Amino acid sequence: QVQLVESGGGLVKPGGSLRLSCAASGFTFSNYYMSWIRQAPGKGLEWVSYISSGGRTIYYADSVKGRFTISRDNAKNSLYLQMDSLRAEDTAVYFCARDSEGYSGYLVDYWGQGTLVTVSS
Amino acid sequence: QSALTQPASVSGSPGQSITISCTGTSSDVGGYNYVSWYQQHPDKAPKLMIYDVSNRPSGVSNRFSGSKSGNTASLTISGLQAEDEADYYCSSYTSRSNLGIFGGGTKLTVL
Repeated sequence: QVQLVESGGGLVKPGGSLRLSCAASGFTFSNYYMSWIRQAPGKGLEWVSYISSGGRTIYYADSVKGRFTISRDNAKNSLYLQMDSLRAEDTAVYFCARDSEGYSGYLVDYWGQGTLVTVSS
Repeated sequence: QSALTQPASVSGSPGQSITISCTGTSSDVGGYNYVSWYQQHPDKAPKLMIYDVSNRPSGVSNRFSGSKSGNTASLTISGLQAEDEADYYCSSYTSRSNLGIFGGGTKLTVL
């Protein structure tokens, strides 16, 4: 069965950095595009970024462009999100998600449980 | 403000049917058949319920159905059950961005 397990969330001060990880299992990770999607407390969902199966195609939401970096290690079945220059408005649960086969950045079929990132002084 | 517009809440009694709307523009909902719906229970990950407007993934109950007319997509849940109480989000491909967009979410209450 498909499993996505996020880690790396926590409390960080404004301007700080954090690196999220997502361990994937139960499917051939290297065949799928992957996304990060976030949800601010009590709010809706926002697509943050996606990366192609081989890592060559990457897109970011305007709200994080230039501050966040998505990457993947297919040998380790892992997805990452490096978050720099964090702001209070980045506070959210960050979900790792698998893009549905044949789709890129607009349809995900499996989600992790999420990891909470809190940006506060 | 979310890119797609959903009602904040809907409610229904067990056994009844409800419909949740999702309104966009010709650049997203109206222009492409790439509307999807997710169900999210409190403190849980979202679950894909409908994709490509009206297709159900394997394992999703046929009580859930999707449709679209113009710039508005709809999710209908028939034969409401207590376990259907959750938040529902629509999502769509958009030509204005390389990333999909979501609605603001609708809280379904089963009375």
